[in-house]
This record gives sequence, C-alpha cells and structure tokens, in this order.
Amino acid sequence: GAGVSQSPRYKVAKRGRDVALRCDSISGHVTLYWYRQTLGQGSEVLTYSQSDAQRDKSGRPSGRFSAERPERSVSTLKIQRTEQGDSAVYLCASSLYWGAKSSYEQYFGPGTRLTVT
Amino acid sequence: GNSVTQMEGPVTLSEEAFLTINCTYTATGYPSLFWYVQYPGEGLQLLLKATKADDKGSNKGFEATYRKETTSFHLEKGSVQVSDSAVYFCALSVNTDKLIFGTGTRLQVFP
Repeated sequence: GAGVSQSPRYKVAKRGRDVALRCDSISGHVTLYWYRQTLGQGSEVLTYSQSDAQRDKSGRPSGRFSAERPERSVSTLKIQRTEQGDSAVYLCASSLYWGAKSSYEQYFGPGTRLTVT
Repeated sequence: GNSVTQMEGPVTLSEEAFLTINCTYTATGYPSLFWYVQYPGEGLQLLLKATKADDKGSNKGFEATYRKETTSFHLEKGSVQVSDSAVYFCALSVNTDKLIFGTGTRLQVFP
C-alpha cells in the first residue's frame, strides 16, 4: 500500500517568510511526527500529534514551529519567519500506535529539503 | 542529554566485503536502539532494533548487538552487496516514542 508521502520535496524560501510543509501518512496511523535532519548534526523531533477517537494531542510547538492536523492522515508543519538556520531536511513519520512505547515502528516519508536564502 | 554518535562516511567497499559502521550513544536511563536505512529518494526504513542490553537485532544479513558496557550498537554485515548502498542512521529513544538520530553514514558498495 501507499507509504508516507511529503510535499513539496524541495522548497526554497526567502528569510522571514512563512512556509508550510505537508505530510500524508498511512491510513489508520495514529501518531504523526515531524523531525528536522540537519547536515552533520543528526535529527531531532520538532513536534508530534497523537489522535484517537476522542481527541487530538500535540507536542508542544517549538517557538516558530507548529503542526496542524486538518485530517486524520494529513499533517502540515508550519514554520514562521524562516531563518537561514532552518535550512534542513524535514522528515515526517507516522506510527500505528501512540504512547511511550519506544519499540513501535515509525514509518518515514522521503523528506522535504528546505533552503532558506 | 541523550545523543548518538556514528562514524562519518562515506564508507566505500567492494562487493562481498565485511561492513562495520560504528555507533555509540549517551543516554539517561535505558534506551532502545535502532538502525534505520535510507535508500536514494526514499524515506527512512527501520532495519533492526534492540530494546535491552545484550539483545542482538538482525535483518537482511545485518546485525547489531546492544552493548551496555561500551554504550555501543555497531552495525555489521559479513558480505555487502551493491544494493546495500544507502545512508545508515543509528538512533535511540529513552522512555518515549521520540527518536534521536545520529548524523548518518553513507555506504557505497562497488562491484
């Protein structure tokens, strides 16, 4: 079946502009994550969203970074007032489960490479 | 804090050579350890994992053993193939589902 997809694959933005990156996760997956992958510095999680039948729960947005979930299998990462240091690959991942179970597999999209000029 | 350090690449090998990619970690608590692989144009895929000390994760001929005493999780394969060419990421998580990745190691295998 279809995996996790992200769009656009490449994005160039002028410093100070807002950008929105989209992630389409696997149907039925509950938790969506956004990671930032920086050359030479590894990856870190930016935010996450967990959704069950009753409610959505999002990780604390980090300053200019926030995620919205307009549909169960769609997430949009928004970056406000972009800075050159935001240039990175942004990875979306989804998981069938939610909760503090580190052994649950996460399925990743191909990433969006953002370049801030 | 929690972090992962892995050897810089690229690692260049001939087909059928032995592969080792080193990974060491720093963690508060008891982490789960993972190796992810990223083929060109694709997303990260889980290759193998180990959730407690002395566990060995294995998949597709790759192996890694969780060594608490040396805080390591080195990836090995006895005989690499051209199709193994990819970027390999070591990762950990501690009492959470959030992953912390290393910087990645590019493997290039030539026929």
